[in-house]
Amino acid sequence: SYVLTQPPSVSVAPGETARITCGGNSIGSKSVHWYQQKPGQAPVLVVYDDSDRPSGIPERFSGSNFGNTATLTISRVEAGDEADYYCQVWDSSGDPWVFGGGTRLTVL
Amino acid sequence: QVQLVQSGAEVKKPGASVRVSCKASGYSFSEYNIIWVRQAPGRGLEWMGWITTYNGNTNHAQNFQDRVTMTRDTSTTTAYMDLRGLTSDDTAMYYCAREGVVRECDYWGQGTLVTVSS
Repeated sequence: SYVLTQPPSVSVAPGETARITCGGNSIGSKSVHWYQQKPGQAPVLVVYDDSDRPSGIPERFSGSNFGNTATLTISRVEAGDEADYYCQVWDSSGDPWVFGGGTRLTVL
Repeated sequence: QVQLVQSGAEVKKPGASVRVSCKASGYSFSEYNIIWVRQAPGRGLEWMGWITTYNGNTNHAQNFQDRVTMTRDTSTTTAYMDLRGLTSDDTAMYYCAREGVVRECDYWGQGTLVTVSS
């Protein structure tokens, strides 16, 4: 089955840029989606189809996907961005819906 | 606006079964699949399965093949997830979500906490 690998944690100072990676075999050929989950809340979709943003999501959130790595980039990080972030793809082999293990973003 | 409202928290004993409901509103129910995802305490997201709301077809994760049943009632725009043979490992928050156009979860329910304890 397909595996997505995320770093357990990323730390960044307010106003800086956070980059959260999601590794997978030829992930560049798949559509990658990203979710933000704050403590005690349900996940929220922040980027879909590699780089599109749902309505209401700030432009500070962007995504890219190439080769074996997809990246969620959060520009001008704010304290309110502190959360767990998960990547997700759909794969035709094994269980089709695959989530990464999640990355905790800490705003210093 | 799109809303998915789930049933309330449950406490079950080992070996029991649980049913979680997911009431959809604000869109055409039969045009979007419903996904079920769970999250154990302090852990990540785990896909359980999906139901095609149009015809009731389902696809379950291999970990849950023999224990989970997903159904829907189009007359009440509600999806259901039944999990049998509960163990303490099934203690988790259970979420329903709507499957979007490119196989993302574009809207989520608020979650239902299921606690399994003797």
